[in-house]
Parts: sequence; C-alpha cells; structure tokens
Amino acid sequence: DVKVTQSSRYLVKRTGEKVFLECVQDMDHENMFWYRQDPGLGLRLIYFSYDVKMKEKGDIPEGYSVSREKKERFSLILESASTNQTSMYLCATYQTGTFYGYTFGSGTRLTVV
Amino acid sequence: AQSVAQPEDQVKVAEGNPLTVKCTYSVSGNPYLFWYVQYPNRGLQFLLKYITGDNLVKGSYGFEAEFNKSQTSFHLKKPSALVSDSALYFCAVRPSNRDDKIIFGKGTRLHILP
Repeated sequence: DVKVTQSSRYLVKRTGEKVFLECVQDMDHENMFWYRQDPGLGLRLIYFSYDVKMKEKGDIPEGYSVSREKKERFSLILESASTNQTSMYLCATYQTGTFYGYTFGSGTRLTVV
Repeated sequence: AQSVAQPEDQVKVAEGNPLTVKCTYSVSGNPYLFWYVQYPNRGLQFLLKYITGDNLVKGSYGFEAEFNKSQTSFHLKKPSALVSDSALYFCAVRPSNRDDKIIFGKGTRLHILP
C-alpha cells in the first residue's frame, strides 16, 4: 500500500512566520496535491505537481508556494502565515494511468495565532 | 462547470437502520466516481469506486453505492448503520478525460444515533 506521510499532525505558528508543511510518499507516484479543508467548504486544491520541479496552481494558490525537488517529497510553504490560513491541510498522491483515486496523508491541522 | 453536489450537510440515522448519503455530479463523458470517509482529525480514507460495469459497487465496512447514469447520481448506502459509521463522507468524481484532478463534494456529516 502507498503510504503518504505528513510530518506534523498539529502545528501552531505565529502571524508572519514562514511555515513549511512536508509530505512524503513511499511509492513512485508522479502526481502530488495539496488541499486545505475548511468546514462547509470541503476540500479546495491549493497546488499540485505532476513531476519533479513541476507545479501548477490549483483553485486557491494565493499566499502559498510549493517545492518538489525530489519525486517523493512535496512541500507546501506559507510565505507569511496569516490567521485566515488556519485550516486542515491534506496531501494526496495519485499514479498516472491507474483507475484509482487519491491516497491521502493523515493531515496537518495548522493554527496561526 | 464540472461539479459534485452533496445536498445534505448532515444526515442522522438511528443505529440499525439503513442509511443513504446522496451525491449528484455534473461532468462530461463517463466519469470515475469515488466515496471517501474522514474520521476526526484524520485524512480521507478510500471507501469504494465505480469505473464501469455493475451499477452497484461494494466497498469497505459494509458500504455500497449505486451508480445511476440517467440521474447522474452515486448515492452511498448501508443496510444497517453502526455508531462507528459516524464520520464525514465525501463524494468525488474524476472526469474521464482528465488523468489528474479529482473534484470533491463539500462533504456530508453522518450521525448514527445509539
């Protein structure tokens, strides 16, 4: 089974801090995704990557950036954290050419104070 | 625009009764359909999928879903609910012409009452 690991389950950061959320997968999946989840809004796509050093904006990229230097690792960066970025962040992976859905990590609940 | 709708924010069912969580979609072509479940403070877990074939698909934990092409629906069902089924359920659609992004519904919170 694919395992998707998010480095932190809970994180508390101060406004203005630069925040790194890490996601690592142990299979050879090309596609990786970052979502945020908020009550009543469901999952909203922030960024995704279909290959090393490749990235594409999702639906809500403002205030975020990403890095994919190695195939197994996809990092989400909050350049200057704000309170409206308090949320649950979910990483997911997907293997191109398969008929399956995503495999998700356990999520990181980020609180910005 | 392509979309997935879960018309109920919450569903409450007594333990032992059948449950249904509704999902309708609007995408072109023949989509792939999924249900995921999320327990508190956890990621999403795959429950079941429909790609082609029999309209009734069976998944994990005794859940099943019925694909109805004419009504563009993919409702999640279980014959007898358990308290442990209480969770947040997401319907998702992968448009058949896109090999990457999946569209998620906003989720339905299922409460099973003892």
